[in-house]
Amino acid sequence: KAGVTQTPRYLIKTRGQQVTLSCSPISGHRSVSWYQQTPGQGLQFLFEYFSETQRNKGNFPGRFSGRQFSNSRSEMNVSTLELGDSALYLCASSSRGGTQYFGPGTRLLVL
Amino acid sequence: GQNIDQPTEMTATEGAIVQINCTYQTSGFNGLFWYQQHAGEAPTFLSYNVLDGLEEKGRFSSFLSRSKGYSYLLLKELQMKDSASYLCAVRDAGGYNKLIFGAGTRLAVHP
Repeated sequence: KAGVTQTPRYLIKTRGQQVTLSCSPISGHRSVSWYQQTPGQGLQFLFEYFSETQRNKGNFPGRFSGRQFSNSRSEMNVSTLELGDSALYLCASSSRGGTQYFGPGTRLLVL
Repeated sequence: GQNIDQPTEMTATEGAIVQINCTYQTSGFNGLFWYQQHAGEAPTFLSYNVLDGLEEKGRFSSFLSRSKGYSYLLLKELQMKDSASYLCAVRDAGGYNKLIFGAGTRLAVHP
């Protein structure tokens, strides 16, 4: 089975711009979770989608949003980018209640 | 509150055994995961414990004591490729697939 894929792998943006990241889960997995990883804060949960519905949300401002499509693919969007949003954004997919498997991540640099 | 503690760094010798401890205090608990993350790569799943006791998988074993809020990851017959960060994560009880991560333990294996 193909693993979790994320696009793009690298991205450079400037402050104030917005960005959309994409995640395709493992075939058959309906849950997609998003995490932000930074050297200072480690891995932090952003949100989780299951069957096109957001089931859970972490402690991030409303500038961070996401959605899931009927084929379980998911996108996350960050509006009005700040320097502190520079991070590795990871998505993970799982079957219901199962282990989460991570994609390679999107490395975002905000200048 | 949510708190997961792991040692920041550990060193060990090739061929030896190392134990990485993780203590947690979380508002809910629905399983504990260990992930391995090489520099610049995504976390990869190592083990999962939801009941007390030891789970063994090849050179890796993981132990859980729910009453003590304690887990450890045991790596045997260390190899150079085991040099990586090891992440302890607790799945939130009501959070479906929300994982709360510790800061990670950076393990360096020396010849």
